[in-house]
Amino acid sequence: SQQGEEDPQALSIQEGENATMNCSYKTSINNLQWYRQNSGRGLVHLILIRSNEREKHSGRLRVTLDTSKKSSSLLITASRAADTASYFCATAIQGAQKLVFGQGTRLTINP
Amino acid sequence: ETGVTQTPRHLVMGMTNKKSLKCEQHLGHNAMYWYKQSAKKPLELMFVYSLEERVENNSVPSRFSPECPNSSHLFLHLHTLQPEDSALYLCASSQLEGTTGGYTFGSGTRLTVV
Repeated sequence: SQQGEEDPQALSIQEGENATMNCSYKTSINNLQWYRQNSGRGLVHLILIRSNEREKHSGRLRVTLDTSKKSSSLLITASRAADTASYFCATAIQGAQKLVFGQGTRLTINP
Repeated sequence: ETGVTQTPRHLVMGMTNKKSLKCEQHLGHNAMYWYKQSAKKPLELMFVYSLEERVENNSVPSRFSPECPNSSHLFLHLHTLQPEDSALYLCASSQLEGTTGGYTFGSGTRLTVV
């Protein structure tokens, strides 16, 4: 497996429901970031959580980080059709000046 | 628009052509990046420029040649590409080199090699 794997690969829910995506990684990190990508477009930075933080909120987004389990989760509450996109976690590996992205979770919000 | 502009949005080129992708940012960022996004594969970091100097080249074939003439512009020169090079090429920038903050991405260039 690779650094930064999202789970599930695809998620389909009804509008108004909450969506949870998970990310696992293998090596020690400085921070972990979540990005959104609409079809065929660039990635948009959503939120960054540092290795000494456990939870962070931004609007309808809630991110948790468990460094002991090397995992993170992204929760989107009260989902909307506009949340339909692919979501990627990116890990900032200690000692390496680059972000490593996972393959993403494809989220579909059904009206 | 995110503040990072990529042109062209779409490009179709033959294997013997030479073309260039352009990326421009006016965010005052000091680092710029090229990523390749292929179907069903993670984003692959190709090149990193910090203060106009190349600091990373991730074993990218020489048919891809980056250029960073100033901190606002980044180019990716392409020549004698292969069909497997067809992908979405994304440019990104950040305030500082590295990973202390988020990256700002452009909308990408969809490249098709025929």
